[in-house]
Amino acid sequence: DAGVIQSPRHEVTEMGQEVTLRCKPISGHNSLFWYRQTMMRGLELLIYFNNNVPIDDSGMPEDRFSAKMPNASFSTLKIQPSEPRDSAVYFCASSLGVQETYEQYFGPGTRLTVT
Amino acid sequence: AQSVAQPEDQVNVAEGNPLTVKCTYSVSGNPYLFWYVQYPNRGLQFLLKYITGDNLVKGSYGFEAEFNKSQTSFHLKKPSALVSDSALYFCAVRYTGRRALTFGSGTRLQVQP
Repeated sequence: DAGVIQSPRHEVTEMGQEVTLRCKPISGHNSLFWYRQTMMRGLELLIYFNNNVPIDDSGMPEDRFSAKMPNASFSTLKIQPSEPRDSAVYFCASSLGVQETYEQYFGPGTRLTVT
Repeated sequence: AQSVAQPEDQVNVAEGNPLTVKCTYSVSGNPYLFWYVQYPNRGLQFLLKYITGDNLVKGSYGFEAEFNKSQTSFHLKKPSALVSDSALYFCAVRYTGRRALTFGSGTRLQVQP
């Protein structure tokens, strides 16, 4: 398996622009997680899905952030409008399920820079 | 609050020496504990986990971790460090009722030749 796939790997955009990050989970995994990593705040969970349904979006920082999972093999995280403080590395992860015993497998991340 | 702490920002060890990266947790009930490693410009890679049973858990790349319930710790260990082990290590906990992982702040391991 190719693992979790994220695109783009790097994104540079100007403040106010819309940004869409994409994720393809490992085939057969039912749960998908979006994280954000910054030096100041470390790794933060933004939202997670189980069977394509959003379960917990309490980590989404503002209404500017939205996430969708239209099918089992694809998810997007959108920021509109983007701001410089959104600059971070965004990781997608997937797991077999949401049970506490399952480990998560992470993608390589998207490094977002908002100028 | 339920959380995980990594008290050391950085650990330095000479190649060939044993290494320990510390992790303590605060959680009620039975914790599920994980270690991940992150190499530069890469995503996190799963190393090992403790769910139940034997307190000594063996994982990838020769790493192991010991669950100590009385000390609420889950330290990562390796008998003989390699330069290639140099990376950022994250401890994480999951607890009943919340499906997502809570990560520690990370410990940078530097193995010197």
